[in-house]
Amino acid sequence: ETGVTQTPRHLVMGMTNKKSLKCEQHLGHNAMYWYKQSAKKPLELMFVYNFKEQTENNSVPSRFSPECPNSSHLFLHLHTLQPEDSALYLCASSQPQDPHSGNTIYFGEGSWLTVV
Amino acid sequence: GENVEQHPSTLSVQEGDSAVIKCTYSDSASNYFPWYKQELGKGPQLIIDIRSNVGEKKDQRIAVTLNKTAKHFSLHITETQPEDSAVYFCAASGGGGSQGNLIFGKGTKLSVKP
Repeated sequence: ETGVTQTPRHLVMGMTNKKSLKCEQHLGHNAMYWYKQSAKKPLELMFVYNFKEQTENNSVPSRFSPECPNSSHLFLHLHTLQPEDSALYLCASSQPQDPHSGNTIYFGEGSWLTVV
Repeated sequence: GENVEQHPSTLSVQEGDSAVIKCTYSDSASNYFPWYKQELGKGPQLIIDIRSNVGEKKDQRIAVTLNKTAKHFSLHITETQPEDSAVYFCAASGGGGSQGNLIFGKGTKLSVKP
């Protein structure tokens, strides 16, 4: 148990579907992240939220839409995805980011996404 | 921004031997260097970390060393066991330019043969 829970663990969706990934952290953190993990790019940062505000969007296509309603919950809304979007999507959390002092981030178990 | 290089990409050792994984970073202002272990079907888990005011840190069979001058840090696993088989990632952050985000290496797949 990592303190970061992701659902669903596995998802298969068609290119015209709309689905969402959910993440919840029980660590009292105020920063949350979405990472994409694939064979080509092992750990690719997608989005960062600090105190519910998005502080980074790493040039992610608009077919991925994050939502952070509070510091404990993070969603990734998916629509009109492509087969190359198939990957492991990892949620993580940490104490609020300090640009000059690195923070430990804690990952969830990930959601395996397959786009058909 | 920060760039982290990790070597080797794959490493195979016999049970009981030592394993060493090396990483270099580009931003001399980076000051936090964690290592993560990812087992098959699971998310990465922190196993050890080091900050720039320390040159070495040890936790049982795992140790990390940091050379700030050369901008490289290494993970050392002694007396390896089959359960050490996993993918290991190094990371660096705190350099300001990366806004505190961890920049990860590409990973090392460690196989420990019984």
